[in-house]
Amino acid sequence: KNEVEQSPQNLTAQEGEFITINCSYSVGISALHWLQQHPGGGIVSLFMLSSGKKKHGRLIATINIQEKHSSLHITASHPRDSAVYICAVKILQGAQKLVFGQGTRLTINP
Amino acid sequence: GAGVSQSPSNKVTEKGKDVELRCDPISGHTALYWYRQSLGQGLEFLIYFQGNSAPDKSGLPSDRFSAERTGGSVSTLTIQRTQQEDSAVYLCASSSHPAGGYTFGSGTRLTVV
Repeated sequence: KNEVEQSPQNLTAQEGEFITINCSYSVGISALHWLQQHPGGGIVSLFMLSSGKKKHGRLIATINIQEKHSSLHITASHPRDSAVYICAVKILQGAQKLVFGQGTRLTINP
Repeated sequence: GAGVSQSPSNKVTEKGKDVELRCDPISGHTALYWYRQSLGQGLEFLIYFQGNSAPDKSGLPSDRFSAERTGGSVSTLTIQRTQQEDSAVYLCASSSHPAGGYTFGSGTRLTVV
């Protein structure tokens, strides 16, 4: 079992829909990252969370440390949001590295 | 620079040849990471540099892989005697400190033929 699990693996929605991507992890962490990877491979860091909730434009990220769970929400989704969204955690004890989920491929149709 | 710069962006090499991949992190970022993303796979950690400390090499898949970081800035990832399974996108990221957010480079797509 992976230390970081994302769901769903693939998500297709219509423009304007509210999107939720989930991330569960099984280890103690110091921080959780949400990353966006567009076709072509470039990765953009969206959020880094250690507690609570963060918002940036139409994107909202939440984390529940007790439940070891985080969600990424996209409001008023748009075709340009189509990308792979990756959850990654920095493990509390151990090497200074990120452990990644497998990613969620999001497609927003016009 | 303004972002993390990686070169080359694409590299095709013959099996058995050595390759060098370069990462130029954001100026002043003390932490530098190399990750690999194989086709259809998730990202995996390769190596981490922090300041003048000994690097964490725990993710390097074999002794054909090595990396160095000169002067606390530019890093080079070297793969010797490349194999087809080395084909992947190699991503570099830097951070102002280990607990900080990351900035990723655009990656080097390595194809071993």
